[in-house]
Amino acid sequence: FMLTQPHSVSESPGGTVTISCTRSSGSIASNFVQWYQQRPGSAPTTMIYENNQRPSGVPDRFSGSVDSSSNSASLTISGLKTEDEADYYCQSFHSNTIYVFGSGTKVTVL
Amino acid sequence: QVQLQESGSGVVKPSQSLSLTCTVSGVSIASGGYSWNWIRQPPGKGLEWIGYIYHTGTTSYNPSLESRVIISVDKSKNQFSLKLNSVTAADTAVYYCAGWFGHFDPWGQGTLVTVSS
Repeated sequence: FMLTQPHSVSESPGGTVTISCTRSSGSIASNFVQWYQQRPGSAPTTMIYENNQRPSGVPDRFSGSVDSSSNSASLTISGLKTEDEADYYCQSFHSNTIYVFGSGTKVTVL
Repeated sequence: QVQLQESGSGVVKPSQSLSLTCTVSGVSIASGGYSWNWIRQPPGKGLEWIGYIYHTGTTSYNPSLESRVIISVDKSKNQFSLKLNSVTAADTAVYYCAGWFGHFDPWGQGTLVTVSS
């Protein structure tokens, strides 16, 4: 299956963006979804794991959710800061043994 | 604190094999718990999971690469390795090693491998 994300989203500082991650086949609820942030020249870091859990150190401006009706997961960033400008990737599993990344979304803070 | 460091060939000729090693510090691979993964990112493109190995030697590979990939582990050196055969220009990418314990963390810094004659 594939995980499809919008190519890019943009918003002003202080605003809110929501990035979708739509699963092409199978139920989005059947496997946990993770979200990673990647700044240019750096390795990705985890922002959300197990659908809606934040690792220590990740601000509560970042939240994750899953919607079975649209078969998609979402990452919401509120109170946008310039430091949030980065690429974001969702990730899930197939048969619990094959890992799949989403296509990636570039977030621009205007 | 668990840390990973990739090492290996930076330039590989077409049709040859790419070989990379990831050295793990801060945790013993033999202790279990983690899966040890390889992930790559072509220049300007997204992330692609290549495969993983457990301390037991159990592996899983991306179906799109499975015929060309071997991941192995050396517990005595606390390292795991990637071998990708019959490379082409499409295999040019930054290659990351990463541990998985509920999510991919930690990651190595990544190493650029260029396929070129």
